[in-house]
Formats: sequence, C-alpha cells, structure tokens
Amino acid sequence: KAGVTQTPRYLIKTRGQQVTLSCSPISGHRSVSWYQQTPGQGLQFLFEYFSETQRNKGNFPGRFSGRQFSNSRSEMNVSTLELGDSALYLCASRSVGQNIQYFGAGTRLSVL
Amino acid sequence: TQLLEQSPQFLSIQEGENLTVYCNSSSVFSSLQWYRQEPGEGPVLLVTVVTGGEVKKLKRLTFQFGDARKDSSLHITAAQPGDTGLYLCAGAGDYKLSFGAGTTVTVRA
Repeated sequence: KAGVTQTPRYLIKTRGQQVTLSCSPISGHRSVSWYQQTPGQGLQFLFEYFSETQRNKGNFPGRFSGRQFSNSRSEMNVSTLELGDSALYLCASRSVGQNIQYFGAGTRLSVL
Repeated sequence: TQLLEQSPQFLSIQEGENLTVYCNSSSVFSSLQWYRQEPGEGPVLLVTVVTGGEVKKLKRLTFQFGDARKDSSLHITAAQPGDTGLYLCAGAGDYKLSFGAGTTVTVRA
C-alpha cells in the first residue's frame, strides 16, 4: 500500500506569490490534515478535511486555504506569500475510526 | 502557546546510555502519541497511549502515560545511533493533533 504522497518536495517562491501544494492520502483514507513545521513554532495544525468538508481549522490567517476532492486528494493554497511562510508543510491521512495519522515526507517551501 | 511542553529540548548521549524524554500537558487529551521524525521525512508514529497509568514497551523504548492523562515519558534503554531523531509527543482531539516542540536526540557512536 503506497504511503502519503506530497508534491512537490521542494518549492522556492518570492514574496507576494501564491503556491499550491498537493497531497495524495493512503488509499481508503478519507481524512486529510495539514500541518506547518518551523524551527521556532514546531508543528502547527492548519486544517483537516473529511469527505470534501473542512472539519477543523487552526489559527492561521485566511491566506492559508485548502480543499479536498472526491477522491480524497487534498490541496492547500497559500496566497500573498510572506517570508515567515517558509516552512515544511506536512500532510497526514487517517482512516475512519482510527486515531493514527500517517504523514507524508512534506513539501519544503522557501520564500525569498 | 504550546499545550504540550517537552523536555529537554536537546539531548546528546553516547551509544549504550539511557535517556528519558518528558511531555507535560495543560489539558487532558483522549490519547497521547509519540512520533519520531528523521531529517527530510515526516513524523512516524511510535506508540499511542490512552489509559491513565498505561505503560507500553516497544523493544528498547518504554512509554508511560500519567495517571491524570496529562503527562507522559519516553525512556530509551541502551541507545543506539539509529535512535537519533526528533521525538515529538502529540495530544489527539477535535480531529487534530497538538504537538509539543520536540526533543532532538543525538546518539554518538
């Protein structure tokens, strides 16, 4: 069974641009969560989607958005990038009724 | 503000020594999980503890969950260089995980 796949692995953007990150969950997993990891703040929860609906959202500005498709694949978008958005963005998927989240390897975003 | 406080932040030990990492919470979670993350990878789940007072063993790793379900510890016996990594505790609830800041463990050969 393939694990959680995140693309791309690395991204370099400049301030003011926008970026879209993609996550393919483990087959059969319908819940997808996104996290931001930085050296200063650690792992911070962004949002969680289940069956194309956002069920929970972390304390991030509206520039951070996401969506989930009918095949459970998810994307997150960051608009008007700031230097502070440089981070490792991690996606995790979970099976219904399970409390175990499986993480992808992440997308490393650098904002210059 | 971190709901989960981990200590120490950094730990560097010699191969064969023992180590303990602590995780203390200001809240009660439905379960507490420990992850290990290696450079360039996402966190990988080591264990989930649910019941207060629970002790779980995974080879040389021993996990304890406090009676009040607000604190936990991870003890590694006879550490090996392969144990090197970032150890994270996380509380589960409301369809999300709340992570501690992590403990970076380095085991020198």
